[in-house]
Amino acid sequence: DAGITQSPRHKVTETGTPVTLRCHQTENHRYMYWYRQDPGHGLRLIHYSYGVKDTDKGEVSDGYSVSRSKTEDFLLTLESATSSQTSVYFCAISERVPDNSPLHFGNGTRLTVT
Amino acid sequence: GQQLNQSPQSMFIQEGEDVSMNCTSSSIFNTWLWYKQDPGEGPVLLIALYKAGELTSNGRLTAQFGITRKDSFLNISASIPSDVGIYFCAGSRDDKIIFGKGTRLHILP
Repeated sequence: DAGITQSPRHKVTETGTPVTLRCHQTENHRYMYWYRQDPGHGLRLIHYSYGVKDTDKGEVSDGYSVSRSKTEDFLLTLESATSSQTSVYFCAISERVPDNSPLHFGNGTRLTVT
Repeated sequence: GQQLNQSPQSMFIQEGEDVSMNCTSSSIFNTWLWYKQDPGEGPVLLIALYKAGELTSNGRLTAQFGITRKDSFLNISASIPSDVGIYFCAGSRDDKIIFGKGTRLHILP
């Protein structure tokens, strides 16, 4: 298994509260990604990072922000959680650009916003 | 935007049967990937394909990168109970990766 740890694995929070999810990798891969997985929608990209302090938006970035201050850590923040952000969140890493290097996924964080 | 059509959405088969699933798109891709996801876990890479026409095996799994670069298939031979799960295809082009919505494989007792 790729060395990817997501924390927490489960979280229940109330609407309007801030939430931060953490992804930690031990592979020293340059690229890191945050996806959400919902029934009927599959995996959708929220944000990704192509290096320390270098991030960009994915297709469903509204309501989310990210930070990458170290190669090994990629944080996803929900500034003010909403019920529509109830989902399973996956972090992924890749050594090089996706055309040349596959993504490897963590085991996910199940977030419930009540 | 780019979309991947993955079919079938679900399959019910008997243990020992062969399985075939595929992904198609109106767009070309440079890379095709196949993943399997078990309940409560993240997708795990099964096979990566980087060249049109490429045929690659991983044990009982075989996948091909379509010659038109617009499709890919995954075959599983002689299915066993641990093959149950959701299989995802993914295509990458210009460093953007798109995922199919998955094929859920059920194995009947």
